[in-house]
Amino acid sequence: NAGVTQTPKFRVLKTGQSMTLLCAQDMNHEYMYWYRQDPGMGLRLIHYSVGEGTTAKGEVPDGYNVSRLKKQNFLLGLESAAPSQTSVYFCATTTSYGPRHYTFGSGTRLTVV
Amino acid sequence: KNEVEQSPQNLTAQEGEFITINCSYSVGISALHWLQQHPGGGIVSLFMLSSGKKKHGRLIATINIQEKHSSLHITASHPRDSAVYICAVVLTYSGGGADGLTFGKGTHLIIQP
Repeated sequence: NAGVTQTPKFRVLKTGQSMTLLCAQDMNHEYMYWYRQDPGMGLRLIHYSVGEGTTAKGEVPDGYNVSRLKKQNFLLGLESAAPSQTSVYFCATTTSYGPRHYTFGSGTRLTVV
Repeated sequence: KNEVEQSPQNLTAQEGEFITINCSYSVGISALHWLQQHPGGGIVSLFMLSSGKKKHGRLIATINIQEKHSSLHITASHPRDSAVYICAVVLTYSGGGADGLTFGKGTHLIIQP
């Protein structure tokens, strides 16, 4: 199915462990984003990418790293997970031209204990 | 900073009622999005607006650029409309929109049978 696929859907980590979240899209979109969603707050931008090989920091980048080695994949890494990173993570993509409709992944629910 | 404000935060209504959710923003924007998120689910784009009004089925979205205000209306509401509705904007100073959306905190809507 065309769209944006996030893996994994759920994960429980112990404090200090590392993990990588994968966002894969087959829509040929240039722009990709990682957001986190916390109760009582709007989605907040962690990192984003405007094309293969490029990344930039968003509003809340600390504790996360990203890579976009291939246009279709945007990886979000947690090198040393902390309980404050317990959240639901969403990937989103959009085009670099014309009306920018956003497509979201189904989310990854991460719990750090 | 609360650049995007939604009201109400929570809304419970009876099936069949006309629903209005409001979104106000304090900065210049190039587009406004209305999104829907079902409990435990992903995020789906409903509308993208830069002016005027759009309609899709029982959903209507309007925007008044001068007043920096948008509304989402649901006619003949149904329990399946129960979801979180999120307003998000593309800021005009955001490098052409490359750095994504700025989100409101969402309106939690429950439609009772």
